[in-house]
Amino acid sequence: DVKVTQSSRYLVKRTGEKVFLECVQDMDHENMFWYRQDPGLGLRLIYFSYDVKMKEKGDIPEGYSVSREKKERFSLILESASTNQTSMYLCASRYGLADTGELFFGEGSRLTVL
Amino acid sequence: AQTVTQSQPEMSVQEAETVTLSCTYDTSESNYYLFWYKQPPSRQMILVIRQEAYKQQNATENRFSVNFQKAAKSFSLKISDSQLGDTAMYFCAFMNYNAGNMLTFGGGTRLMVKP
Repeated sequence: DVKVTQSSRYLVKRTGEKVFLECVQDMDHENMFWYRQDPGLGLRLIYFSYDVKMKEKGDIPEGYSVSREKKERFSLILESASTNQTSMYLCASRYGLADTGELFFGEGSRLTVL
Repeated sequence: AQTVTQSQPEMSVQEAETVTLSCTYDTSESNYYLFWYKQPPSRQMILVIRQEAYKQQNATENRFSVNFQKAAKSFSLKISDSQLGDTAMYFCAFMNYNAGNMLTFGGGTRLMVKP
């Protein structure tokens, strides 16, 4: 079974802190994604990566950056956390561009910024 | 840009009964995929069912089936013989096959199955 692991299930940070959210997948997937999940808004794409060292902005990239130095790992970085970044963050992966859509998700990281 | 709308934020159903979750979408594309994903409480989201737009036959996976109405841009999910384990958030999603295969998600429907 595909496993997508997010390093932290729950985090509490202060405004202005730098936050790292880590995601690791074990199935050699090319594509990885970071989504933000908010009530009523569903999932919104922050960033995605087609392959190692490649990254593309999604729909809401402002205030976020990403890093993909190894194929299995995709990190989301909040350079200076703000209260409006309090949310659930979901990492996902899939085989590649030709894949017909099935995403494999991690359990999520719930971030609270005080 | 595509939009996906789930008009029912919350629903409930009695165990063993049938429930239908609604989803509508807006697109000018003809080649696309539609999905229903399930997110159980405190667990990861998983794919429930997938429909290719070029297929007229509605997809079915055990107790889960869809009613795909392409002209109406409607994609509802029917859950038969509801079980307590069906309690979850359900997300409808759209993927345009010619635009980088990115998924657009609806706002979600929270389904509660009552004993």
